[in-house]
Amino acid sequence: EVQLVESGGGLVQPGGSLRLSCSASGFTFSDHYMDWVRQAPGKGLEWVGRSRDKVNGYTTEYAASVKGRFTISRDDSKNSLYLQMNSLNTEDTAVYYCTRGPFGCSRGRCSFSYLDAWGKGTTVTVSS
Amino acid sequence: IQLTQSPPFLSASVGDRVTITCRASQGIYSNLGWYQQKPGKAPELLIYVASTLQSGVPSRFSGSGSGTDFTLTINNLQPEDFATYYCQQVNSYPITFGQGTRLEIK
Repeated sequence: EVQLVESGGGLVQPGGSLRLSCSASGFTFSDHYMDWVRQAPGKGLEWVGRSRDKVNGYTTEYAASVKGRFTISRDDSKNSLYLQMNSLNTEDTAVYYCTRGPFGCSRGRCSFSYLDAWGKGTTVTVSS
Repeated sequence: IQLTQSPPFLSASVGDRVTITCRASQGIYSNLGWYQQKPGKAPELLIYVASTLQSGVPSRFSGSGSGTDFTLTINNLQPEDFATYYCQQVNSYPITFGQGTRLEIK
């Protein structure tokens, strides 16, 4: 069974930092891109960013709203994905979901390009 | 790429047929997915590549479209279908979602 379990959420002051973790099991983690998606209270889904797999150089992509402040990394030996969040502001308050992304990717094309597994999410609250 | 869903809210009864549309600000071929989210739960993938049903999704769900205009249709609405639905484009970065359509029981 595919499982994604996020941790590390909590209350942080504006300007502060937080590191989220996602532990994956039930599939070959190293074969997949992994994404973070967030959802502010009462709002829709916002894609945060992506970590590509080793074959594609572990490169990353980010939404404009977080670029330069957030960093996604992964440790395939631990089946784990991370989201380092710096310079947090109140607009970053949200539930953060870890998601299983594309696989079978080469030269910009993937066999499957969608988010087919999601964790339950971890809540980040930015407030003074 | 901006995705505009309509309507934002939809009220329907069990047994009804409903259609949700998603319009992209530029052509995205068939690189579109649909997700269902129930209150307090994580979203789930329903449809990918515009019209392919994800494994385990009931056949009353269907998707169509390509280019800029897409639709999600639910036939014979069941009580468990009342949820919020999002479209998502994976054609180019940044990946984007529509603003959502909340389907409520009439």
